[in-house]
Amino acid sequence: DAGVIQSPRHEVTEMGQEVTLRCKPISGHDYLFWYRQTMMRGLELLIYFNNNVPIDDSGMPEDRFSAKMPNASFSTLKIQPSEPRDSAVYFCASSLEPPYGYTFGSGTRLTVV
Amino acid sequence: ILNVEQSPQSLHVQEGDSTNFTCSFPSSNFYALHWYRWETAKSPEALFVMTLNGDEKKKGRISATLNTKEGYSYLYIKGSQPEDSATYLCASGAQKLVFGQGTRLTINP
Repeated sequence: DAGVIQSPRHEVTEMGQEVTLRCKPISGHDYLFWYRQTMMRGLELLIYFNNNVPIDDSGMPEDRFSAKMPNASFSTLKIQPSEPRDSAVYFCASSLEPPYGYTFGSGTRLTVV
Repeated sequence: ILNVEQSPQSLHVQEGDSTNFTCSFPSSNFYALHWYRWETAKSPEALFVMTLNGDEKKKGRISATLNTKEGYSYLYIKGSQPEDSATYLCASGAQKLVFGQGTRLTINP
């Protein structure tokens, strides 16, 4: 398996633009997670899905953020409109039923200027 | 809210020395404790998952212990090598993991 695949690796966008981050989880993993990593807050959970259904989106900062998982092999995290404070590394991870650990993607480094 | 704390924040160790660091977590409603290794410019990689009080896990020179009653876990590295330089994260939870801020380990040749 190629692991968890995220795209793009880097994204630079202007404030106000829409940004879409993509993730392909490992086949057979029932759980998918979106995390954001910043210097100040470390790794913080934004949202997670189980069998394509959003279970907990309490970490989504505000309405500008939305996430979807239309099928078992694809998820998107969208920010519209983007702001400079959204600049961070966004990780997608997938896992089997707990207590199995996560497999992380390589992350998307987002810079909003 | 689950608070996972790690100490120290950073650590410099001489090559060949052994070291250890701590992860503390709320002991109530404990489910599992995870350790990850995170090298610069890469993504976190799973090291261990522990669920039972008294669990000990080992992978090569790295080992971990778990005390769920008092809410702590130790990670040990024996005979540190430069390739051990990384940030070590612990996380606690069930489906949803809460991560500590990590211990950044630097091995000096």
